[in-house]
Order: sequence, then C-alpha cells, then structure tokens
Amino acid sequence: ETGVTQTPRHLVMGMTNKKSLKCEQHLGHNAMYWYKQSAKKPLELMFVYNFKEQTENNSVPSRFSPECPNSSHLFLHLHTLQPEDSALYLCASSPPPGRDSYEQYFGPGTRLTVT
Amino acid sequence: QKEVEQNSGPLSVPEGAIASLNCTYSDRGSQSFFWYRQYSGKSPELIMFIYSNGDKEDGRFTAQLNKASQYVSLLIRDSQPSDSATYLCAVNTIDGGTSYGKLTFGQGTILTVHP
Repeated sequence: ETGVTQTPRHLVMGMTNKKSLKCEQHLGHNAMYWYKQSAKKPLELMFVYNFKEQTENNSVPSRFSPECPNSSHLFLHLHTLQPEDSALYLCASSPPPGRDSYEQYFGPGTRLTVT
Repeated sequence: QKEVEQNSGPLSVPEGAIASLNCTYSDRGSQSFFWYRQYSGKSPELIMFIYSNGDKEDGRFTAQLNKASQYVSLLIRDSQPSDSATYLCAVNTIDGGTSYGKLTFGQGTILTVHP
C-alpha cells in the first residue's frame, strides 16, 4: 500500500453511535491533517498533528476527537454527531518542507452520513 | 480572516483551448501557493505549487504568481475533456520556519472542457 489511505471509505451512522475514522500514510511524512469538505463550501481544516503532537485545533466541536499514536497513523473518533456533520472527511500528510513548499497529499476520504 | 477567493464558475472551454483559472488571496505574508484538481467524488490531487513570482511550467500546466497583486493563476493548454474537474487554489498561511504547513483553500472553480 502506498500513499495516504483512509478507512472506511463510506460510513453511515446514527446520532447516538460511536465510530472512528482511520488514516495511514506510507510516505514518511511528519505532519498529518484532518479536513472536512461539505457541499458548496471550501475545505475546512480541522486538526493538524506534527510529529504526533497536535499543533492546530480549528475550533472543532468536542464530538470530534483526534488521536495520533505515531507519525504514520491518525484517527478521528466520532460520537453523538449531528446530521450537519455529514460530509467528506479527508486526511492529508506533508513532508518536512523544501523551500517554502509545504505541499500536502490527500487520502481518498471517508464519505460520512449521519442519520 | 485569511481568505482565498476563486470564481466558482462553471468555466466552459472547448477542447484544445487554453483554460485560465484565477485566485486571489488576502494575506500579503503568504509564501507558497498550490493548485489541486478534484474530480467529482474523489479527493484533491496536487497539480502544482509555486512560491516565486513569475511562471512555473509543468507539461500543459503553467502556474503564475504575482505577490504584489496577491494573485495566482493556473493555465491549462490544449485542454482535454479529462481536465473537466474542480480546481482548488490553496495558500499556505503559516509563518515560515515550521516543519508543517497550514493551507487555506478557495471554494474551487468548476472547469468543463467540451469536445
């Protein structure tokens, strides 16, 4: 497996369920990111982890709980979600920057539907 | 609020023509700029990044950056129907010297290339 992988690819959950999204990168990158993409809205950054330490939390509700056990794995734990949380959740990773590059590479995403 | 603005389109061009996609950004201190392509139902794919004023060419794609005008564009020469997608402009809005970036995305421009 190469690149950035995400599981599951599709998830339907009720508002009282607890589920987790998983992301794994096989690129040797140091930073990992969670984004939310809703219809008609720009990509929204949720969390950033750098060398497994959280460096950014973009005012995300506590019903979303990230976990980064090491630089290759990232989880997003979900509980008591709302229907408006239905979206495409994207994981990305980035290498240590070259000259001001900071490029990020995305996984395929998890399409989440909250019923 | 650091913003990235794109014309949402749709932009329609005939096959073989040049497609021109534009993006403006509000943070004058931004250092690096990215273009991603996103096909419907898929995740964003990095096409190019640029951090110096002027042009950067890669195959049929040319990125142009003008920091004084806070403007970045993407030209696609000899457009093909397979180029039909949403093109996302992203700007790194974190100070240099860190080992990770923080991208702010525009809402994307829908490009349609018709035969």
